[in-house]
Amino acid sequence: GAVVSQHPSRVICKSGTSVKIECRSLDFQATTMFWYRQFPKQSLMLMATSNEGSKATYEQGVEKDKFLINHASLTLSTLTVTSAHPEDSSFYICSAKALAKNIQYFGAGTRLSVL
Amino acid sequence: DQQVKQNSPSLSVQEGRISILNCDYTNSMFDYFLWYKKYPAEGPTFLISISSIKDKNEDGRFTVFLNKSAKHLSLHIVPSQPGDSAVYFCAASAGQTGANNLFFGTGTRLTVIP
Repeated sequence: GAVVSQHPSRVICKSGTSVKIECRSLDFQATTMFWYRQFPKQSLMLMATSNEGSKATYEQGVEKDKFLINHASLTLSTLTVTSAHPEDSSFYICSAKALAKNIQYFGAGTRLSVL
Repeated sequence: DQQVKQNSPSLSVQEGRISILNCDYTNSMFDYFLWYKKYPAEGPTFLISISSIKDKNEDGRFTVFLNKSAKHLSLHIVPSQPGDSAVYFCAASAGQTGANNLFFGTGTRLTVIP
Protein backbone atom coordinates (compact mmCIF):
# COMPACT_ATOMS: atom_id res chain seq x y z
CA GLY A 1 0.00 0.00 0.00
CA ALA A 2 0.83 3.72 -0.05
CA VAL A 3 2.22 3.92 -3.56
CA VAL A 4 3.01 7.27 -5.14
CA SER A 5 3.62 7.43 -8.87
CA GLN A 6 5.54 10.32 -10.40
CA HIS A 7 5.73 10.93 -14.13
CA PRO A 8 7.84 11.51 -16.14
CA SER A 9 10.98 10.13 -14.56
CA ARG A 10 13.18 12.16 -16.84
CA VAL A 11 12.58 15.09 -19.15
CA ILE A 12 14.87 17.09 -21.38
CA CYS A 13 13.52 20.32 -22.79
CA LYS A 14 14.61 23.48 -24.51
CA SER A 15 14.96 26.72 -22.64
CA GLY A 16 11.70 28.68 -22.59
CA THR A 17 9.38 25.71 -22.69
CA SER A 18 7.09 24.61 -19.87
CA VAL A 19 7.24 21.19 -18.29
CA LYS A 20 4.49 19.46 -16.32
CA ILE A 21 5.23 16.79 -13.73
CA GLU A 22 2.46 14.61 -12.34
CA CYS A 23 2.27 13.02 -8.92
CA ARG A 24 -0.41 10.45 -8.18
CA SER A 25 -1.29 8.54 -5.05
CA LEU A 26 -2.37 5.16 -6.38
CA ASP A 27 -3.96 3.45 -3.39
CA PHE A 28 -4.83 6.18 -0.91
CA GLN A 29 -6.31 9.64 -0.80
CA ALA A 30 -3.65 12.28 -0.40
CA THR A 31 -5.04 15.25 1.45
CA THR A 32 -1.65 16.89 1.32
CA MET A 33 1.06 16.69 -1.31
CA PHE A 34 4.53 18.11 -1.20
CA TRP A 35 7.01 19.10 -3.88
CA TYR A 36 10.73 18.99 -3.26
CA ARG A 37 13.81 19.91 -5.23
CA GLN A 38 17.24 18.40 -4.82
CA PHE A 39 20.52 19.71 -6.13
CA PRO A 40 23.57 17.42 -6.38
CA LYS A 41 25.05 16.50 -3.01
CA GLN A 42 22.38 18.49 -1.20
CA SER A 43 19.34 17.45 0.76
CA LEU A 44 15.74 17.49 -0.38
CA MET A 45 14.42 21.03 -0.09
CA LEU A 46 10.71 21.62 0.28
CA MET A 47 9.34 23.88 -2.43
CA ALA A 48 5.66 23.90 -1.65
CA THR A 49 2.83 22.17 0.15
CA SER A 50 -0.53 21.70 -1.46
CA ASN A 51 -3.83 20.66 0.03
CA GLU A 52 -6.56 19.30 -2.19
CA GLY A 53 -8.78 22.04 -3.52
CA SER A 54 -6.79 24.96 -2.17
CA LYS A 55 -3.84 27.03 -3.27
CA ALA A 56 -0.37 25.76 -2.61
CA THR A 57 1.79 27.22 0.12
CA TYR A 58 5.24 28.05 -1.19
CA GLU A 59 8.44 28.10 0.80
CA GLN A 60 10.46 31.26 1.00
CA GLY A 61 12.45 31.90 -2.13
CA VAL A 62 10.31 29.71 -4.39
CA GLU A 63 8.61 31.64 -7.17
CA LYS A 64 4.98 30.64 -7.32
CA ASP A 65 4.58 32.02 -10.84
CA LYS A 66 7.53 29.94 -11.97
CA PHE A 67 6.46 26.71 -10.29
CA LEU A 68 2.72 26.28 -10.72
CA ILE A 69 1.17 23.66 -8.49
CA ASN A 70 -2.30 22.23 -8.90
CA HIS A 71 -3.89 19.73 -6.52
CA ALA A 72 -7.28 19.29 -8.11
CA SER A 73 -8.13 15.90 -6.67
CA LEU A 74 -7.26 13.71 -3.72
CA THR A 75 -5.01 11.57 -5.90
CA LEU A 76 -3.31 14.00 -8.26
CA SER A 77 -1.02 16.99 -7.95
CA THR A 78 0.91 18.58 -10.78
CA LEU A 79 3.96 20.82 -10.85
CA THR A 80 4.48 22.93 -13.94
CA VAL A 81 7.85 24.56 -14.42
CA THR A 82 7.02 27.53 -16.62
CA SER A 83 9.45 29.00 -19.12
CA ALA A 84 12.17 26.67 -17.94
CA HIS A 85 15.78 27.83 -17.96
CA PRO A 86 19.01 25.87 -17.50
CA GLU A 87 19.18 26.90 -13.83
CA ASP A 88 15.88 25.06 -13.29
CA SER A 89 17.63 21.79 -14.14
CA SER A 90 17.33 19.69 -11.04
CA PHE A 91 15.73 16.65 -9.45
CA TYR A 92 12.11 17.20 -8.49
CA ILE A 93 10.32 14.79 -6.21
CA CYS A 94 6.82 14.72 -4.82
CA SER A 95 5.35 13.12 -1.76
CA ALA A 96 1.85 12.54 -0.49
CA LYS A 97 0.34 12.28 2.93
CA ALA A 98 -3.01 10.86 3.94
CA LEU A 99 -5.16 12.52 6.55
CA ALA A 100 -4.28 11.37 10.07
CA LYS A 101 -1.28 9.42 8.78
CA ASN A 102 2.03 10.80 9.98
CA ILE A 103 4.15 9.67 7.04
CA GLN A 104 5.02 11.18 3.69
CA TYR A 105 5.13 8.68 0.84
CA PHE A 106 7.43 9.60 -2.00
CA GLY A 107 7.39 9.27 -5.75
CA ALA A 108 10.53 8.22 -7.60
CA GLY A 109 11.34 11.74 -8.75
CA THR A 110 11.81 13.56 -12.05
CA ARG A 111 15.17 14.56 -13.45
CA LEU A 112 14.69 17.78 -15.41
CA SER A 113 17.38 18.94 -17.80
CA VAL A 114 16.88 22.26 -19.55
CA LEU A 115 19.11 22.86 -22.55
CA ASP B 1 21.40 26.61 6.67
CA GLN B 2 21.36 22.84 7.07
CA GLN B 3 19.22 22.10 10.10
CA VAL B 4 19.52 18.34 9.76
CA LYS B 5 22.98 16.91 9.20
CA GLN B 6 24.24 13.50 8.29
CA ASN B 7 27.97 13.91 8.51
CA SER B 8 28.90 10.48 7.19
CA PRO B 9 28.24 10.26 3.46
CA SER B 10 28.95 6.55 3.44
CA LEU B 11 29.23 3.52 5.70
CA SER B 12 30.32 -0.06 5.02
CA VAL B 13 29.37 -2.93 7.30
CA GLN B 14 29.79 -6.67 7.15
CA GLU B 15 26.66 -8.76 6.79
CA GLY B 16 25.31 -9.82 10.17
CA ARG B 17 26.93 -6.94 12.03
CA ILE B 18 25.25 -3.82 13.33
CA SER B 19 24.88 -0.72 11.16
CA ILE B 20 24.66 2.59 12.98
CA LEU B 21 23.62 5.64 11.01
CA ASN B 22 23.82 9.00 12.71
CA CYS B 23 21.94 12.24 12.34
CA ASP B 24 22.36 15.58 14.13
CA TYR B 25 20.04 18.52 14.15
CA THR B 26 20.28 22.13 15.22
CA ASN B 27 16.66 23.19 15.67
CA SER B 28 15.55 22.49 19.24
CA MET B 29 11.94 22.84 18.11
CA PHE B 30 12.09 19.61 16.10
CA ASP B 31 9.75 17.12 17.74
CA TYR B 32 9.22 14.40 15.17
CA PHE B 33 11.85 12.44 13.32
CA LEU B 34 11.74 9.95 10.50
CA TRP B 35 14.17 7.69 8.68
CA TYR B 36 13.79 6.90 5.01
CA LYS B 37 15.61 4.41 2.83
CA LYS B 38 16.23 5.02 -0.85
CA TYR B 39 17.22 2.57 -3.55
CA PRO B 40 18.50 3.84 -6.93
CA ALA B 41 15.77 5.05 -9.28
CA GLU B 42 13.16 4.80 -6.54
CA GLY B 43 11.67 7.31 -4.15
CA PRO B 44 12.54 7.32 -0.45
CA THR B 45 10.66 4.66 1.50
CA PHE B 46 9.56 5.27 5.06
CA LEU B 47 11.37 3.11 7.60
CA ILE B 48 10.68 4.23 11.12
CA SER B 49 9.81 7.35 13.08
CA ILE B 50 10.07 8.66 16.61
CA SER B 51 8.38 11.42 18.53
CA SER B 52 10.33 13.61 20.89
CA ILE B 53 8.39 12.23 23.85
CA LYS B 54 10.27 8.98 23.38
CA ASP B 55 13.94 8.14 23.30
CA LYS B 56 13.69 4.82 21.50
CA ASN B 57 11.47 3.16 18.95
CA GLU B 58 11.97 -0.33 17.64
CA ASP B 59 10.57 -2.12 14.62
CA GLY B 60 12.06 -5.49 13.87
CA ARG B 61 15.70 -5.10 12.93
CA PHE B 62 15.45 -1.31 13.00
CA THR B 63 15.75 0.82 16.13
CA VAL B 64 15.87 4.58 16.29
CA PHE B 65 17.38 6.31 19.31
CA LEU B 66 16.80 9.95 20.13
CA ASN B 67 19.04 12.01 22.39
CA LYS B 68 17.32 15.35 22.72
CA SER B 69 19.96 16.96 24.89
CA ALA B 70 22.59 16.20 22.25
CA LYS B 71 20.21 16.89 19.37
CA HIS B 72 21.21 13.56 17.95
CA LEU B 73 19.42 10.54 16.62
CA SER B 74 20.69 7.27 15.29
CA LEU B 75 19.31 4.35 13.35
CA HIS B 76 20.54 0.89 14.29
CA ILE B 77 20.10 -2.01 11.94
CA VAL B 78 20.88 -5.42 13.35
CA PRO B 79 21.67 -7.80 11.89
CA SER B 80 22.59 -5.98 8.69
CA GLN B 81 21.68 -7.69 5.43
CA PRO B 82 22.91 -7.05 1.87
CA GLY B 83 19.40 -5.87 0.96
CA ASP B 84 19.84 -3.04 3.42
CA SER B 85 22.37 -1.45 1.09
CA ALA B 86 20.80 1.88 0.19
CA VAL B 87 20.94 5.58 0.98
CA TYR B 88 19.38 6.47 4.32
CA PHE B 89 17.91 9.89 5.01
CA CYS B 90 16.85 11.30 8.32
CA ALA B 91 14.17 13.96 8.44
CA ALA B 92 12.68 16.16 11.13
CA SER B 93 9.72 18.42 11.68
CA ALA B 94 8.78 20.98 14.31
CA GLY B 95 5.77 22.40 16.06
CA GLN B 96 3.79 19.21 16.30
CA THR B 97 3.24 19.29 12.56
CA GLY B 98 3.98 15.60 12.37
CA ALA B 99 5.12 14.57 8.91
CA ASN B 100 4.47 18.00 7.45
CA ASN B 101 7.26 20.47 6.78
CA LEU B 102 10.07 17.96 6.84
CA PHE B 103 13.72 18.97 6.86
CA PHE B 104 16.04 16.35 5.40
CA GLY B 105 19.66 15.42 5.86
CA THR B 106 21.90 14.77 2.86
CA GLY B 107 21.85 11.01 3.32
CA THR B 108 24.27 8.23 4.21
CA ARG B 109 25.01 5.47 1.73
CA LEU B 110 25.09 2.14 3.52
CA THR B 111 26.85 -0.80 1.92
CA VAL B 112 26.42 -4.18 3.55
CA ILE B 113 29.16 -6.51 2.44
CA PRO B 114 28.16 -10.19 2.10
